[in-house]
Amino acid sequence: QKEVEQNSGPLSVPEGAIASLNCTYSDRGSQSFFWYRQYSGKSPELIMFIYSNGDKEDGRFTAQLNKASQYVSLLIRDSQPSDSATYLCAVNEYSSASKIIFGSGTRLSIRP
Amino acid sequence: ETGVTQTPRHLVMGMTNKKSLKCEQHLGHNAMYWYKQSAKKPLELMFVYSLEERVENNSVPSRFSPECPNSSHLFLHLHTLQPEDSALYLCASSQVGTGTGYTFGSGTRLTVV
Repeated sequence: QKEVEQNSGPLSVPEGAIASLNCTYSDRGSQSFFWYRQYSGKSPELIMFIYSNGDKEDGRFTAQLNKASQYVSLLIRDSQPSDSATYLCAVNEYSSASKIIFGSGTRLSIRP
Repeated sequence: ETGVTQTPRHLVMGMTNKKSLKCEQHLGHNAMYWYKQSAKKPLELMFVYSLEERVENNSVPSRFSPECPNSSHLFLHLHTLQPEDSALYLCASSQVGTGTGYTFGSGTRLTVV
């Protein structure tokens, strides 16, 4: 059973600080890794994807991938109250080109 | 219309009713998906259609019946549901082989009474 593990939180971070979200996965063959943001009552929205080991930056967001450790993280710099949401880590399943496995999500709360 | 659109946004149905959820994608993608999201539970994959062929059926009860008439449209037909089927039903699409992830619709909030 392929798994994606996340700490459910809530993770509380003061406004302006760096929020760090972590994820581990079990499928060593996975090649594509995604972070989705989901506001309460809304659908998930893709915010970052990463394929290669190392860091990928997009604005205030940085995704980090370590395939040897099977670890993906998302850093949010200068956290804003609007960043308060559930963040879903997702990983493609190696044996299926069309299938992505989602973690259960980490709830992030940015306190003013 | 852009992206992935789902209708209706909200649905209340009795256990003996028959209803259908509709999803349409305007992205030129070649795969479509149905997910169920219950409160405080992770996204549960229900069905996958790739190139209009069902490639996955994740042990979903037969009271849920998917239909994919073409690459842009996906339906989920519902009949004799149970109260525990109340959830947010999400449709998504992707372009297989590009590794660019899914685009989700806004979802249908289903309540079974």
